[in-house]
Amino acid sequence: GESVGLHLPTLSVQEGDNSIINCAYSNSASDYFIWYKQESGKGPQFIIDIRSNMDKRQGQRVTVLLNKTVKHLSLQIAATQPGDSAVYFCAENIGGNNRLAFGKGNQVVVIP
Amino acid sequence: ETGVTQSPTHLIKTRGQQVTLRCSSQSGHNTVSWYQQALGQGPQFIFQYYREEENGRGNFPPRFSGLQFPNYSSELNVNALELDDSALYLCASSWGDRSYEQYFGPGTRLTVT
Repeated sequence: GESVGLHLPTLSVQEGDNSIINCAYSNSASDYFIWYKQESGKGPQFIIDIRSNMDKRQGQRVTVLLNKTVKHLSLQIAATQPGDSAVYFCAENIGGNNRLAFGKGNQVVVIP
Repeated sequence: ETGVTQSPTHLIKTRGQQVTLRCSSQSGHNTVSWYQQALGQGPQFIFQYYREEENGRGNFPPRFSGLQFPNYSSELNVNALELDDSALYLCASSWGDRSYEQYFGPGTRLTVT
């Protein structure tokens, strides 16, 4: 499949280590955030979401942290596996609007 | 897998032609949103269809149009294709007129020559 992650910031991580992917969002009115994972040749896959009235949410091996003061979102992946290699996008929903605005994406490369 | 399907998988068109892309939403979802993803970029919102009507539009010209059918499947039509229209076109389905929890299909790769 074609490469999704041309010229994207790249995080190389050893298998088994934890990964942290960061995202800065632009609009203080954003009230809902999603992290998506996109593998080469595929559509974005929903990972985890968080609403603006929360600052932390945990899923299976993933944690999302939201800092509204500095408009920063992060995704932590515990015990990174080769299958986690992909491009990760954060997306924001602005004040009940009906669209998602995506960030540029971060490429994660897991080294076996 | 999300249950969202798109067709065709790949398509090659010539500048000036017209194209129709199709999307079937996940069972139980009544809203379809379309996005354009250029190589190396994040998806950009084109428009959304809810209950067979356009429910918001991004910064795309009128030659990008769409339809939603009673079974909630949807079409994206692009007229007068330009080279810059080459991209991965993604549809995402959700429930209701908010964009929460949108689930994406695999996309249609359009190449305009």
